Amino acid sequence: AQSVTQPDIHITVSEGASLELRCNYSYGATPYLFWYVQSPGQGLQLLLKYFSGDTLVQGIKGFEAEFKRSQSSFNLRKPSVHWSDAAEYFCAVVRRDNYGQNFVFGPGTRLSVLP
Amino acid sequence: GAVVSQHPSRVICKSGTSVKIECRSLDFQATTMFWYRQFPKQSLMLMATSNEGSKATYEQGVEKDKFLINHASLTLSTLTVTSAHPEDSSFYICSARDSSREPEQYFGPGTRLTVT
Repeated sequence: AQSVTQPDIHITVSEGASLELRCNYSYGATPYLFWYVQSPGQGLQLLLKYFSGDTLVQGIKGFEAEFKRSQSSFNLRKPSVHWSDAAEYFCAVVRRDNYGQNFVFGPGTRLSVLP
Repeated sequence: GAVVSQHPSRVICKSGTSVKIECRSLDFQATTMFWYRQFPKQSLMLMATSNEGSKATYEQGVEKDKFLINHASLTLSTLTVTSAHPEDSSFYICSARDSSREPEQYFGPGTRLTVT
């Protein structure tokens, strides 16, 4: 079965520091990969996505992610974190099954930012 | 573009009553809509997938008689929680897919359901 893991439940960084959030997936075919951010009590906002092509993907708010097939990873990075980046981050993989292309979400990583 | 709305954003109901949540795609036609449930500090779990004009497909462990889903038009899906109980209290998020932009889904802002 397809699965998505985010090894870090909670990460704390200082404002201005760099950030890397990890995402690993288990998937038998070429995956579609997404990163979303969720502020408390809010819906999901798409940060970036990977479908094919260049393995380094640029997103909104200064985020980028790199797809590494050999490591089954799609890690999210930001060179300098802002206090407003504090939120929950979800990696998601699109799986294929008899019912269509459904998302499978990772457990999430909560980011705290110190002033 | 690709905006999805949900109504209401918050609802409180008494145990044993039913509550309906609406999900609308505002600027595109959604052939498929999805309903997720998110408990506090947890990830999103897919409950069901609905295609316009046909019956919803429920994920394993989700009671289809309790969570009624109707996708009567290309812009509207509804989730009705019947005979709600406190354990149904959760954050419910819908998403919609535009068949011309698969596999991407567009997410609504969520509905906080509290059952007292």
